[in-house]
Formats: sequence, C-alpha cells, structure tokens
Amino acid sequence: QKEVEQNSGPLSVPEGAIASLNCTYSDRGSQSFFWYRQYSGKSPELIMSIYSNGDKEDGRFTAQLNKASQYVSLLIRDSQPSDSATYLCAVNIHFNKFYFGSGTKLNVKP
Amino acid sequence: DADVTQTPRNRITKTGKRIMLECSQTKGHDRMYWYRQDPGLGLRLIYYSFDVKDINKGEISDGYSVSRQAQAKFSLSLESAIPNQTALYFCATKTGTDGYNEQFFGPGTRLTVL
Repeated sequence: QKEVEQNSGPLSVPEGAIASLNCTYSDRGSQSFFWYRQYSGKSPELIMSIYSNGDKEDGRFTAQLNKASQYVSLLIRDSQPSDSATYLCAVNIHFNKFYFGSGTKLNVKP
Repeated sequence: DADVTQTPRNRITKTGKRIMLECSQTKGHDRMYWYRQDPGLGLRLIYYSFDVKDINKGEISDGYSVSRQAQAKFSLSLESAIPNQTALYFCATKTGTDGYNEQFFGPGTRLTVL
C-alpha cells in the first residue's frame, strides 16, 4: 500500500464548476498535509496546507481534512481554465520527511 | 532572483557517465531534499539533509549520492548513469524542525540518459 494515494484522473470539469480532488494516506501519525499545483514541466507550487480536522478556506480553494478517515481533499470553486494542472497531495509522516501522491490531472474546459 | 536554483536545467548524457546536479538556495533554510519525478509516479525522495553533517537516504537512493557542501548547497551525483535514471529532478528546501512548514521547490533539472 502506498503512503499517499490519489486518483490519477484526468478529472474534467466545465469552467465555473467545482472541482473536487481527493487523497488518502496510510499513516495515522501524519501531522500535516499539503496541496501543490504543478503545471507540465514546471515545479510544484503550494496551494494549501492543513493541519487540523475540518475545512480551511483560501479564496476559491478549500482544503478538507478528516484524520479519522485518513482523507484529505481540495475543492476548487469557480474553476478556471488556468486551474488546469496536476495537483499533488503531500503528507508529512515523519517530521521533516514528506510523501507525495502520484497527482491528479485536472482539465477545466472553457 | 529565484530563491532555489538548480543547474543544469537540462542535461543529456550517455550510459556510464558521472553526472552532478547542483542546488543552491538563498532562503536560509536548513533542510534540503532531492526528488525525482517520473510520469504517473509523483515525486519520490532520493536523499534529504537537515544540515551539513546530517544526510539521510530516501525511498530510492540506490545509484545516487549527495554532498552538502554548505547550508545553501546540496548536490546530487549519479556515479554511473543508466537509462532508467532519465527523469525530472527537483531540489526542495524547508525551514523549521517540525512538519508544519511547506517545501519550496527549485525549477527542476530534466535529465536524459541515452
């Protein structure tokens, strides 16, 4: 079992819709969770971080964490074509060591 | 100027050659990481370092070695490159002693081994 799992997609949504990206992790001791956006051939850039159960909102982005279910998600409201990218879920499992999911490719159609 | 830089940005080499990828940072972070990315496999950790004297193996360290020359510099070497080391390589930095700070990534090095 991989430490962090994501559906590889692609996930296709129309412009203006809500995109929902999901991630599960295996280690119950995981402390912190990160969502990175990566455009093709570019480096990952941080979108959201979340540490406590519940929701965390930042503009059009909402991260949701459920530690009991070992599940973290990212919602993107009012999706734009510029949101088309691969979204990587990263989990801090052992203090300064991070595990990444394989990423979900999102396509936002105009 | 970019906070985390990697050189070279692209490299084509032949099987058996020794290759060094370099990473420099101006963020003052003590933690530095090397990852490789293959299509469909996400980022996999090769090595990480918490300071000049602390180097640790990651998930896929076989065939690689590293050197932390200074707090700001972390180099990755492929002693004898092989074709399945063809990948996109990223350096990352992080501050803090806990897991609550994000990593910052360099622009990447695209390595092709023929």
